[in-house]
Amino acid sequence: DTAVSQTPKYLVTQMGNDKSIKCEQNLGHDTMYWYKQDSKKFLKIMFSYNNKELIINETVPNRFSPKSPDKAHLNLHINSLELGDSAVYFCASSQDLGLPYEQYFGPGTRLTVT
Amino acid sequence: AQKVTQAQTEISVVEKEDVTLDCVYETRDTTYYLFWYKQPPSGELVFLIRRNSFDEQNEISGRYSWNFQKSTSSFNFTITASQVVDSAVYFCALNEETSGSRLTFGEGTQLTVNP
Repeated sequence: DTAVSQTPKYLVTQMGNDKSIKCEQNLGHDTMYWYKQDSKKFLKIMFSYNNKELIINETVPNRFSPKSPDKAHLNLHINSLELGDSAVYFCASSQDLGLPYEQYFGPGTRLTVT
Repeated sequence: AQKVTQAQTEISVVEKEDVTLDCVYETRDTTYYLFWYKQPPSGELVFLIRRNSFDEQNEISGRYSWNFQKSTSSFNFTITASQVVDSAVYFCALNEETSGSRLTFGEGTQLTVNP
């Protein structure tokens, strides 16, 4: 059973389009995250949700909007895609917000904007 | 502000060699947590270890060992008798108690183990 899953795995789209990436975890975790990994492999947190509530919102353009319909899902919607949005996006989850439990990552979604 | 530095961008070794990946961190918190993650060529991120700032005991897990030294703000990772399957990018990460669940990652070290 996949613990943290993301769809799609690859996403190729044109500038200006709107796209979504879905994430689901079956670990019963309370906290979910979105990270962006750029072409140099640098990983940076974008958002964190705890029980459907936004906790962390780094300096991310407001074209990026996370949505958490329930605590097992955290989707990422991106409006008006730009070339610089090309990256690998990772979803992750952890057991609790209060303690720094290890985060479990999904397989990543490679977004290519042309 | 929290910061993690992995000065070794790339390391290449021959199978069966021992290799140490360096990690130096900066934090003002007295309570913090350090992590190592592995990212193999397949792309997923795999959790390896978590240590808290009050536990400086070194840890060994099979061929992996970790050396945590608060005096030098380092949390180094050693792979003994490396194998080709160890080839991956390894990330060190820091979580400060005051930053909630925010993880700050180092830049990663690409380890290549050649047969």
